[in-house]
Amino acid sequence: ETGVTQSPTHLIKTRGQQVTLRCSSQSGHNTVSWYQQALGQGPQFIFQYYREEENGRGNFPPRFSGLQFPNYSSELNVNALELDDSALYLCASSTPSGEQYFGPGTRLTVT
Amino acid sequence: QKEVEQDPGPLSVPEGAIVSLNCTYSNSAFQYFMWYRQYSRKGPELLMYTYSSGNKEDGRFTAQVDKSSKYISLFIRDSQPSDSATYLCAMETSGSRLTFGEGTQLTVNP
Repeated sequence: ETGVTQSPTHLIKTRGQQVTLRCSSQSGHNTVSWYQQALGQGPQFIFQYYREEENGRGNFPPRFSGLQFPNYSSELNVNALELDDSALYLCASSTPSGEQYFGPGTRLTVT
Repeated sequence: QKEVEQDPGPLSVPEGAIVSLNCTYSNSAFQYFMWYRQYSRKGPELLMYTYSSGNKEDGRFTAQVDKSSKYISLFIRDSQPSDSATYLCAMETSGSRLTFGEGTQLTVNP
């Protein structure tokens, strides 16, 4: 167990809807990163938050947004869902030495 | 060209075999190198974390980094059926985004 939890485990949305995914980081880890993993692919970096500020962003459009809270929990919001957004969404919290530990993921299906 | 190349397999070996998994990369700024194991429909699990050329051993696992050749490897000794999973290599420049390979699907047959 990594101590990183995510909710929900699985959800189904319709194209055009909005979704919020949640992550609870391991205690003491003040950096959280979000990744998108399409079926059969490696995870792709979406963005990272450090002390509630965005600290790097991958090649994802602005409809992907995030928040980090003072207790180091985090949210990923996706607006105007598209079919290609169907994927496993992973959050990872970082130790002070930089190791990233992943949660179990949220599987999003867009129909 | 992808920054990180990894043969997706699938790779099938008999129980007890030595498994060799490899990745190559093109970005010389990568300083930290990781191997993750991912079981079906689960999150990746960190196996090895290294930041220099050379070997690092942990139980049945050995990670090898050759920065001059931009090549990393993971060796699994005495492979077990429970090692059947997808193995992902990952790299980063410094404390930020991880860049992953595509993953190699490994099956260890009893």
